[in-house]
Amino acid sequence: QKEVEQDPGPLSVPEGAIVSLNCTYSNSAFQYFMWYRQYSRKGPELLMYTYSSGNKEDGRFTAQVDKSSKYISLFIRDSQPSDSATYLCAMSEEGGSEKLVFGKGMKLTVNP
Amino acid sequence: DADVTQTPRNRITKTGKRIMLECSQTKGHDRMYWYRQDPGLGLRLIYYSFDVKDINKGEISDGYSVSRQAQAKFSLSLESAIPNQTALYFCATSDPGRETQYFGPGTRLLVL
Repeated sequence: QKEVEQDPGPLSVPEGAIVSLNCTYSNSAFQYFMWYRQYSRKGPELLMYTYSSGNKEDGRFTAQVDKSSKYISLFIRDSQPSDSATYLCAMSEEGGSEKLVFGKGMKLTVNP
Repeated sequence: DADVTQTPRNRITKTGKRIMLECSQTKGHDRMYWYRQDPGLGLRLIYYSFDVKDINKGEISDGYSVSRQAQAKFSLSLESAIPNQTALYFCATSDPGRETQYFGPGTRLLVL
């Protein structure tokens, strides 16, 4: 079993939809959880960063971590065509600047 | 100017050839990383370096070598390229305690 599992999609939704992206993991030592967004022909960029369990909201984006279930989610409200990208979850035992383990990435398309 | 640059951006080579991918950064970070990205497999860590004298193997280092020439430069070499090394390669940098790694724009490598 891979340490981090993420459905690679692709996922296509209409503009304005609520999008839910999920990852599961097996390493209980992971403490730091990140979502990166990668536009076509670009490198990944950090979108959300959370430590331990709980929720974090930033505008239309909400990250949730449930360590008891080893499950993390990213919700996008009122999705926009500009949200079309690949979303990768990433996890670390020691922090965002340390060794990261990434999910496969989910390609999202938001249709106008 | 971009903080993390990679050269070349695209490269086509033949099986058995030695090639080098280069990464430079102006962020002043001590930590640098090389990843490869494959469809359906996500980002996987090849090598990482926490300072000029510290180089470590990642998840998939076989067939690759690296050189940290200076704080700002980290090169990845394929000693004898093979077709299954065809992938998108990313360099990243980070500072201890920060929330994120900063990725370059990637090098698209095709091994024929």
